[in-house]
Amino acid sequence: GQQLNQSPQSMFIQEGEDVSMNCTSSSIFNTWLWYKQDPGEGPVLLIALYKAGELTSNGRLTAQFGITRKDSFLNISASIPSDVGIYFCAGPSNTGNQFYFGTGTSLTVIP
Amino acid sequence: EPEVTQTPSHQVTQMGQEVILRCVPISNHLYFYWYRQILGQKVEFLVSFYNNEISEKSEIFDDQFSVERPDGSNFTLKIRSTKLEDSAMYFCASSVTGGSPLHFGNGTRLTVT
Repeated sequence: GQQLNQSPQSMFIQEGEDVSMNCTSSSIFNTWLWYKQDPGEGPVLLIALYKAGELTSNGRLTAQFGITRKDSFLNISASIPSDVGIYFCAGPSNTGNQFYFGTGTSLTVIP
Repeated sequence: EPEVTQTPSHQVTQMGQEVILRCVPISNHLYFYWYRQILGQKVEFLVSFYNNEISEKSEIFDDQFSVERPDGSNFTLKIRSTKLEDSAMYFCASSVTGGSPLHFGNGTRLTVT
């Protein structure tokens, strides 16, 4: 299946700092999704992107659909302790019958 | 807000036993999925289901696995003869259409001993 690589693999930051993470693919996607997973729970959709160059915000979160359509970025401003979790990007298969998930970025926020 | 519900939240079974994991997708969603996540690893696709048939499956979804929509609300994953390596979190998801964002349940933690 598709390989979606996320970086960094993990981040340890102070509360109040901004966070940036990215996701790259070897193939072009027409949709990018960003999810957050809390321990013991299912992934929760944060942001959906549908157009190259699109910049979309959801509160303190901002995600961008890369111009090349092979990457996407997620930024979190002014991090708080509840931002802790694993962030996954996802992109659809050509058939639209599944989404491939990235390797994940684990975020730890130190109060 | 509507949500995907999964039962049980935790299932412990002995190797070789059959298990059935249950899901109730969001009511107006037409596409259903099972994913799994081995502890600390990424979310892996198992199978997608639309119009009462499998639309796509991964190499993980071998003959030991099957899915069913026995009625208008439930969507089940059956593992016929569990192996130790089947131990994982199993997530059900649904979407309005193919290619639209997936909405996940909170998962069933399967432990095979």
